[in-house]
Amino acid sequence: DAKTTQPTSMDCAEGRAANLPCNHSTISGNEYVYWYRQIHSQGPQYIIHGLKNNETNEMASLIITEDRKSSTLILPHATLRDTAVYYCIVRVATDNNNDMRFGAGTRLTVKP
Amino acid sequence: NAGVMQNPRHLVRRRGQEARLRCSPMKGHSHVYWYRQLPEEGLKFMVYLQKENIIDESGMPKERFSAEFPKEGPSILRIQQVVRGDSAAYFCASSPQEPLNTEAFFGQGTRLTVV
Repeated sequence: DAKTTQPTSMDCAEGRAANLPCNHSTISGNEYVYWYRQIHSQGPQYIIHGLKNNETNEMASLIITEDRKSSTLILPHATLRDTAVYYCIVRVATDNNNDMRFGAGTRLTVKP
Repeated sequence: NAGVMQNPRHLVRRRGQEARLRCSPMKGHSHVYWYRQLPEEGLKFMVYLQKENIIDESGMPKERFSAEFPKEGPSILRIQQVVRGDSAAYFCASSPQEPLNTEAFFGQGTRLTVV
């Protein structure tokens, strides 16, 4: 169901930037890219989303390639608490097509 | 503004019983999504509802599972005649009607155990 592909797992050193890639080569013009994460068995947490411009908020930055076929989530200074499964989702938001389909995600482990 | 509330947080049912999982969306949100997560697996989409309407139930098992989101009250995911394979975490998320490209927020889930 998911229209994205992500690496299964990644490691990152504490304090360094974590760069999580996502491929969405079949994305259409009206689909947004969303990132969520799930820490342990908690409910997924929204991180950031964008359409075609790069976005930044207090949690992360989202870099979307010009052709929009891939994107990268950047956690600028990863901490141990950022260890989680990160999900990249493409989602078209029209009134009757607003669902979200998750893939397997990337399991990020931040190491001391 | 309270977040998405799911209850109960933990539910134990014997095989053959019914399970009712409730999801109260955030205030002002009229879209609800339900997901199932088996241990060590990802989130599987089940159903997407708007007030009083099922928009997409393509992820729902054909039998025993149903969902509703009435005009008043929480969204309900109902599982009849539960089996051990129904044991999982069930998450719901909600989003507002407008703007459509806004983020959805998740509850903390209901952990169903069938014994």
